[in-house]
Amino acid sequence: DSGVTQTPKHLITATGQRVTLRCSPRSGDLSVYWYQQSLDQGLQFLIQYYNGEERAKGNILERFSAQQFPDLHSELNLSSLELGDSALYFCASSGGLAGSSAYNEQFFGPGTRLTVL
Amino acid sequence: GEDVEQSLFLSVREGDSSVINCTYTDSSSTYLYWYKQEPGAGLQLLTYIFSNMDMKQDQRLTVLLNKKDKHLSLRIADTQTGDSAIYFCAENYGKGGGNKLTFGTGTQLKVEL
Repeated sequence: DSGVTQTPKHLITATGQRVTLRCSPRSGDLSVYWYQQSLDQGLQFLIQYYNGEERAKGNILERFSAQQFPDLHSELNLSSLELGDSALYFCASSGGLAGSSAYNEQFFGPGTRLTVL
Repeated sequence: GEDVEQSLFLSVREGDSSVINCTYTDSSSTYLYWYKQEPGAGLQLLTYIFSNMDMKQDQRLTVLLNKKDKHLSLRIADTQTGDSAIYFCAENYGKGGGNKLTFGTGTQLKVEL
């Protein structure tokens, strides 16, 4: 158990809908990351938050957005869902200040499996 | 840009050593990682190596880094059936203070009796 929790574990929804995925980082970790794992794209970085602020952005679609709250948990919002958004969405967290070795150790949650029908 | 490549499959017999290889393109990577993913599970951080090191050993795991060839390998000694999983290498891309990981395609390791 990495200490990172994600809810829900599974989500089934229809095209055009909007969903919110939730992540609680390990206790005290300031950074939260979101990744998408799909068969055709593999594991792709979406976005990173550090202590409430966006720190790095990857191949995140405009239909997707994220935020990190003062208690450090994070939510990933996916809207106008398409069939191709079906994937496993992972959250990861790391501790320490930027540049420290702890900052560079990302621990992953169990993921949320999203199925868009 | 960043690109990480791995072979897709590796099959070994129980008790043998496994060597999983990875090549990467971004010479500015600070850290290189190995993660393990078992069926239906998340990613488990196995080990990582700082880019100024050539080798790191951690129990049955040995990581070798050849910076000149941008080649990373993971050796698992005395491979067990419980080692069957998908192994991902990843490089850290830290421009602008971010901490993005770029993953390879994953190598599926099958351990046979």
